[in-house]
Amino acid sequence: QKEVEQNSGPLSVPEGAIASLNCTYSDRGSQSFFWYRQYSGKSPELIMFIYSNGDKEDGRFTAQLNKASQYVSLLIRDSQPSDSATYLCAVTPSGGADGLTFGKGTHLIIQP
Amino acid sequence: GAVVSQHPSWVICKSGTSVKIECRSLDFQATTMFWYRQFPKQSLMLMATSNEGSKATYEQGVEKDKFLINHASLTLSTLTVTSAHPEDSSFYICSVNRRRSYNEQFFGPGTRLTVL
Repeated sequence: QKEVEQNSGPLSVPEGAIASLNCTYSDRGSQSFFWYRQYSGKSPELIMFIYSNGDKEDGRFTAQLNKASQYVSLLIRDSQPSDSATYLCAVTPSGGADGLTFGKGTHLIIQP
Repeated sequence: GAVVSQHPSWVICKSGTSVKIECRSLDFQATTMFWYRQFPKQSLMLMATSNEGSKATYEQGVEKDKFLINHASLTLSTLTVTSAHPEDSSFYICSVNRRRSYNEQFFGPGTRLTVL
């Protein structure tokens, strides 16, 4: 069973601080890694993707990938109340299939 | 990103009826679309991969005779929940794969199905 694990939270962070979200995956052959944001009752919205080891920055968001440790993280700088949502980690499994495997998500709360 | 629509956005039906959900890719031709299901407080679970012009590929545990998928054109995939029961009540979301060097998927707004 290929799994993606996330701490369900809630993770509470003061406005303006850095929010750090973590994700581990079991399929060592996973090739692409994604972070989605999902507001309650809505469908997921792509924030970032990463497929090489290291850091990738896009605005206030930084994704970090460590394939040796099978670990992906998302940092949100200068957190805003509008960042309050559930953040889903997703991976493309090995074997050539393209359907994503999702974690259960981390509920992030930004306190004004 | 890609623009994906779904119809209807919500539906309530009686147990035993069939419900059809449409997924459209509005701004590019999608040879592959995906159907996911999300129960309350749970994550998205891939149900099947919809391939234009061929049979869908179902994930383990998903009944192909219950969840009929038709990918009739490069912009439209439909999911029909046949003989729906209360346990089929869920949030059904489709996605399209804008193939580049990575597997970037864009999701439709979802369809909330409630079976009474």
